[in-house]
Amino acid sequence: GENVEQHPSTLSVQEGDSAVIKCTYSDSASNYFPWYKQELGKRPQLIIDIRSNVGEKKDQRIAVTLNKTAKHFSLHITETQPEDSAVYFCAAGFNKFYFGSGTKLNVKP
Amino acid sequence: DTEVTQTPKHLVMGMTNKKSLKCEQHMGHRAMYWYKQKAKKPPELMFVYSYEKLSINESVPSRFSPECPNSSLLNLHLHALQPEDSALYLCASSPPTGDATLNTEAFFGQGTRLTVV
Repeated sequence: GENVEQHPSTLSVQEGDSAVIKCTYSDSASNYFPWYKQELGKRPQLIIDIRSNVGEKKDQRIAVTLNKTAKHFSLHITETQPEDSAVYFCAAGFNKFYFGSGTKLNVKP
Repeated sequence: DTEVTQTPKHLVMGMTNKKSLKCEQHMGHRAMYWYKQKAKKPPELMFVYSYEKLSINESVPSRFSPECPNSSLLNLHLHALQPEDSALYLCASSPPTGDATLNTEAFFGQGTRLTVV
């Protein structure tokens, strides 16, 4: 099955700085790569996703890049705000997807 | 209606009890999922139903029994659970993709926090 690794496990940034979270995956058949944000005690919510026929996707302050050759993908958050503080999960798969271990992002005001 | 609704929100059960978790969506989604999430860990896939048929069982112990009575409802029947089964159980659904894959956004419910005593 798919093995998704995510780094770092915790990330602390100053408000206004950028944050980058990186994931690698093992199964070359994976073609769907969503990113979920989970606030404490709440449900995971999709923030952005990318498919293997696209190298980069951007939505306002959030962007995701995908390198299929190297089997890694990254989440970039610019101009971070305190409300961005949460746990972020990457995922990868084909026909079902597996989550990375999560990154706890803390944005300090 | 753009929600996945799970009931109950909290459940405490003994190891000899039988209980059920319920999940409902009215978004016309044809794939529904059960995930288990332990504290500070990612969600782990348990089961996937596609068009009301069980398509994926991630080698889940038989004390967990899923059921999909119709395209809007998904149940998880629990029997003879162990304390280590205590976790947040998340239901999710996703829309049809037009092909056989399930590679599209999954909408999660708020979860049922289960405690086995």
